[in-house]
Amino acid sequence: KNQVEQSPQSLIILEGKNCTLQCNYTVSPFSNLRWYKQDTGRGPVSLTIMTFSENTKSNGRYTATLDADTKQSSLHITASQLSDSASYICVVSADTGGFKTIFGAGTRLFVKA
Amino acid sequence: GAVVSQHPSWVICKSGTSVKIECRSLDFQATTMFWYRQFPKQSLMLMATSNEGSKATYEQGVEKDKFLINHASLTLSTLTVTSAHPEDSSFYICSARALAENYEQYFGPGTRLTVT
Repeated sequence: KNQVEQSPQSLIILEGKNCTLQCNYTVSPFSNLRWYKQDTGRGPVSLTIMTFSENTKSNGRYTATLDADTKQSSLHITASQLSDSASYICVVSADTGGFKTIFGAGTRLFVKA
Repeated sequence: GAVVSQHPSWVICKSGTSVKIECRSLDFQATTMFWYRQFPKQSLMLMATSNEGSKATYEQGVEKDKFLINHASLTLSTLTVTSAHPEDSSFYICSARALAENYEQYFGPGTRLTVT
């Protein structure tokens, strides 16, 4: 069964600190993995996209890693800011001809001053 | 990045009425559009996938006669919630995939529907 599991479910950190969010998946055949940031009451915004051959991808203070062998990905946020408070969603697509997409439940990040 | 808009951003309607939500890709052609529903503190749930010019494919458990989807052009898809009930109150989000990009999905800002 294709699944995407994210951890932790929620996280509280102090402004300026770093944090790492985890994503484990059992999607096959794997096509790509995306991380999105979703502010409350808004649509998701893409942070990174990685295909099978990519191990790491950065977007400013966001760095995503992918281990296709262990089927794990992480999103590292450096020097967190208050505006980083949001839900972070891991999305994995399976290459079934129609690119079936499976969403993780998300990690809710709260950055406190 | 590409822009996807939704209209309206929020709507309040009475039970039994119908509501139409528009999703537009503003600067690219979207061969495929997706409609999601999101309840508070939950992740997005795919309702249906629509390809331009053809009937939408609905996910299991989603009533196609209640949630009417039309994808008449490469830049516009509409979702009509017919005979809305309070349990239909939710956050509806569309996304679009560009013709030339297999991977990237651009999401709209969402529409908050409240049925009273």
